[in-house]
Amino acid sequence: DTGVSQNPRHKITKRGQNVTFRCDPISEHNRLYWYRQTLGQGPEFLTYFQNEAQLEKSRLLSDRFSAERPKGSFSTLEIQRTEQGDSAMYLCASSLSQNYGYTFGSGTRLTVV
Amino acid sequence: AQSVTQLGSHVSVSEGALVLLRCNYSSSVPPYLFWYVQYPNQGLQLLLKYTTGATLVKGINGFEAEFKKSETSFHLTKPSAHMSDAAEYFCAVSESPSGSARQLTFGSGTQLTVLP
Repeated sequence: DTGVSQNPRHKITKRGQNVTFRCDPISEHNRLYWYRQTLGQGPEFLTYFQNEAQLEKSRLLSDRFSAERPKGSFSTLEIQRTEQGDSAMYLCASSLSQNYGYTFGSGTRLTVV
Repeated sequence: AQSVTQLGSHVSVSEGALVLLRCNYSSSVPPYLFWYVQYPNQGLQLLLKYTTGATLVKGINGFEAEFKKSETSFHLTKPSAHMSDAAEYFCAVSESPSGSARQLTFGSGTQLTVLP
């Protein structure tokens, strides 16, 4: 069990640029979640995959955001035309079906300048 | 819809004193409840969870929490604080019909400071 890995740890980008984050879940976990955490707040749910299928998306996930999980392994979260309001910590978590044992990664901190 | 309220965004205790972090939830179905801890620039680590069964739940690092349905509460306690307990603590709730995504709804967090 090597844990959930997220890359990069930090990303600074100019407003209007596109960014992509990667999450490698625990290998046997078939559920993968993305959350966003802004300063002073708890994480907020963005989207959920079971294997390669994206089964649920929050209304927080505007059309500038897209997430994929090809082959049900790693996942990517892309933000197009970044805005300053996108500055946040983006957290990935994984779990086994029928198991409440979420494991979170260390997150990617995005700063949009 | 489910929600979580954590009373007190900042709590300070002396080393060796009782830690009490408060969490109240709202849920239309029997809830599943969680406490997570987050150290600076880190992800969240699960401290403990309540799903079904015994209402007093023991977790890691000496923490425990009691599910009180009548009070819609799930307060986190530790008898004796240690300096290493200083961190941010999040309470979370999940409503889980069979087959749902089991997404978590988090409170806004409580920053625990432990004074020497």
